[in-house]
Amino acid sequence: NAGVMQNPRHLVRRRGQEARLRCSPMKGHSHVYWYRQLPEEGLKFMVYLQKENIIDESGMPKERFSAEFPKEGPSILRIQQVVRGDSAAYFCASSRTVNSNQPQHFGDGTRLSIL
Amino acid sequence: KNEVEQSPQNLTAQEGEFITINCSYSVGISALHWLQQHPGGGIVSLFMLSSGKKKHGRLIATINIQEKHSSLHITASHPRDSAVYICAVESYNTDKLIFGTGTRLQVFP
Repeated sequence: NAGVMQNPRHLVRRRGQEARLRCSPMKGHSHVYWYRQLPEEGLKFMVYLQKENIIDESGMPKERFSAEFPKEGPSILRIQQVVRGDSAAYFCASSRTVNSNQPQHFGDGTRLSIL
Repeated sequence: KNEVEQSPQNLTAQEGEFITINCSYSVGISALHWLQQHPGGGIVSLFMLSSGKKKHGRLIATINIQEKHSSLHITASHPRDSAVYICAVESYNTDKLIFGTGTRLQVFP
């Protein structure tokens, strides 16, 4: 029973390139959350998705960042025209429902480095 | 002021010591989480609680809803407990987690 799977574990991009981060939630989980951890900072919420819907994107930067969770396949966090400040660890979490009895399960994260 | 405050920020201990990490929050919550993160590693959920106390092995988590405060205790600490411990709350009217900045714990043999 695999947990939340994120890939790649490490991603290196040059400034101006695109970064695509993937997250496969746990089996049976239809809620996905993306969080960002900047160097030496705490985790910050980015976006919450259910299948085919963005529920809350209040933590997403207004430009260059987008997220999707299609009917089939993993959730994707996409960063266009990356800049040095995008270097961070990006964590995905999933849950079965949103009531307080259902914890979020975290993936191991993708460490994005921008050269 | 952050909505979730943790103390201390850094903590060192000798193996075997009893450790307490504190978390205070200022928003209405539906649940509080304690998470563990090893350097360069993923995040492991230790506890999710909305009232009272939970125990798992040498770890104990308590929450006082009226005082908006939670504590994580580690009994008989061990060097392998060295990690960052993060408190996070589920805000009552949203589904997203709000995180504290973490407590970096180092346990020396």
